Amino acid sequence: AQSVSQHNHHVILSEAASLELGCNYSYGGTVNLFWYVQYPGQHLQLLLKYFSGDPLVKGIKGFEAEFIKSKFSFNLRKPSVQWSDTAEYFCAVRNQGGKLIFGQGTELSVKP
Amino acid sequence: GAVVSQHPSRVICKSGTSVKIECRSLDFQATTMFWYRQFPKQSLMLMATSNEGSKATYEQGVEKDKFLINHASLTLSTLTVTSAHPEDSSFYICSARASDRGNIQYFGAGTRLSVL
Repeated sequence: AQSVSQHNHHVILSEAASLELGCNYSYGGTVNLFWYVQYPGQHLQLLLKYFSGDPLVKGIKGFEAEFIKSKFSFNLRKPSVQWSDTAEYFCAVRNQGGKLIFGQGTELSVKP
Repeated sequence: GAVVSQHPSRVICKSGTSVKIECRSLDFQATTMFWYRQFPKQSLMLMATSNEGSKATYEQGVEKDKFLINHASLTLSTLTVTSAHPEDSSFYICSARASDRGNIQYFGAGTRLSVL
């Protein structure tokens, strides 16, 4: 079965620290890849997406992610986090069937 | 970004009653909408795919008679939890796919259902 795995359940960082959240998926075909963010009490928002082309994609709020096909990975990065980045982050994969499959989510807590 | 409105945001009901949750795409037409369920500290689990003008497609293990889905227009899908029981208490989230925007899925704010 297709699945998405996020390595970290909860990450705690200090402001200005660098962030990398891991995401691996299991699906051999063509996929579209997404990172969503859910701020406390708010709805899921799209951070960035990868469909094709340059495997390094840039999203909103200084986030970027790199698609490494050979590793089935799509890790999320940010060079310097802020307190306002405290949120839950979800990696998601959409297969050719069109369904969006989510990872378990990573809770990020940034200490001021 | 596109806006998806979900209502109500929170509902408390007695066991045995039915609850209807609405999901509207406010600035785009959505031929396809999705309903998810999210348990505490867990991921979103797809319950069903709602297609405008046709029957919903349910994921394995989801009771279609329990979770009635209606997608009567290009901007509205409803989920009705029939004869709700405490084990149905959860966070339900809808999503609408914008076919004119690269098929990106936009999400509602969710509905917290508590069945007493």
